[in-house]
Amino acid sequence: GESVGLHLPTLSVQEGDNSIINCAYSNSASDYFIWYKQESGKGPQFIIDIRSNMDKRQGQRVTVLLNKTVKHLSLQIAATQPGDSAVYFCATPTRNQGGKLIFGQGTELSVKP
Amino acid sequence: GAGVSQTPSNKVTEKGKYVELRCDPISGHTALYWYRQSLGQGPEFLIYFQGTGAADDSGLPNDRFFAVRPEGSVSTLKIQRTERGDSAVYLCASSLAGGKQYFGPGTRLTVT
Repeated sequence: GESVGLHLPTLSVQEGDNSIINCAYSNSASDYFIWYKQESGKGPQFIIDIRSNMDKRQGQRVTVLLNKTVKHLSLQIAATQPGDSAVYFCATPTRNQGGKLIFGQGTELSVKP
Repeated sequence: GAGVSQTPSNKVTEKGKYVELRCDPISGHTALYWYRQSLGQGPEFLIYFQGTGAADDSGLPNDRFFAVRPEGSVSTLKIQRTERGDSAVYLCASSLAGGKQYFGPGTRLTVT
């Protein structure tokens, strides 16, 4: 079946540095991807999404890159701040199944002051 | 405006008991999803409603789990004869048809 997976379960960065969180997916037909941020004790919060007709999409301090050739996407956070500390998930909806999301296991980002 | 709300925020119950978890979606959202999240894992899909009907319940682990959405708004997830393995955070999300899913804070269920 479909799966998404993250390369590293934990990532520690210095405040002000850039962070890169990676994700791989298995289904080459997947055409929509979402990054969620989950802080302790809260539900996942939408950060940014990208469709397969794009290679790159930028938001406020965040950029998502999609490489369809190797079925890989990444989330880049510029000038990482303590408030960015959280678990980050990539997710993709299953095709033709009402949009239920398949999540990866998550990467826990820790920002050192 | 108000987001997705879930009650209770925490529920501790004894093995074998029955529990109900409630989700209030964002007003006007026609789609409602339930997910379960175990410690250190990503959310796993349980069931999806479009309006009042369950469009996809393929994620429910067994027949002890049931969910309803009788008026197309509030939903209740019901778990019978709870087991320790049911302990997890139960997340609810809602969306417009085909739109972004907005998650609630979850209900942490602990079965002792």
